[in-house]
Amino acid sequence: RKEVEQDPGPFNVPEGATVAFNCTYSNSASQSFFWYRQDCRKEPKLLMSVYSSGNEDGRFTAQLNRASQYISLLIRDSKLSDSATYLCVVNTGRRALTFGSGTRLQVQP
Amino acid sequence: DAGVTQSPTHLIKTRGQQVTLRCSPKSGHDTVSWYQQALGQGPQFIFQYYEEEERQRGNFPDRFSGHQFPNYSSELNVNALLLGDSALYLCASSLPWSEGEQYFGPGTRLTVT
Repeated sequence: RKEVEQDPGPFNVPEGATVAFNCTYSNSASQSFFWYRQDCRKEPKLLMSVYSSGNEDGRFTAQLNRASQYISLLIRDSKLSDSATYLCVVNTGRRALTFGSGTRLQVQP
Repeated sequence: DAGVTQSPTHLIKTRGQQVTLRCSPKSGHDTVSWYQQALGQGPQFIFQYYEEEERQRGNFPDRFSGHQFPNYSSELNVNALLLGDSALYLCASSLPWSEGEQYFGPGTRLTVT
């Protein structure tokens, strides 16, 4: 079983739609959680951290459920520029980041 | 403010050869991590360097080795290349106490034939 599992997609949505991605992790000792974004043939970039209380950054909302070992990312009012691969990332406190395989989002006009 | 830089951009090697990839961290960062990203997969952690020492290693064989220099730049060496080593190699820099905010370079795309 992979340490971090994501639906690979692709998710094809029209501009303005709301889309949600989910991710599960297997190590209950995981300490911190993140979403990274990776554009085609580019490097990953930190999108946002994820906290148990939930956090929001503009159109993006991230949520963590430690009991279910589940992380989510919600994107409201999708823009064409949101098209990318979204990587769920977990840190187990060993200083290494563990990445999921990513979920591909394609926002269409 | 210079971000993370990596060289070369692309590299083609033959099976059995050795390769060295280079990375300069973002200004102010002293911790460097290396990742391997195969097509369609997320980055896989290789190792991390801090104060010129390897302080964390992922599940990669000893053919993968590294080094960090006093100016915090780093090298990744891979010996006895296999076809399966073909991938994008990403370097990321961070502050030593940072839990998850890592800044990635553009990567080196290695093709082994």
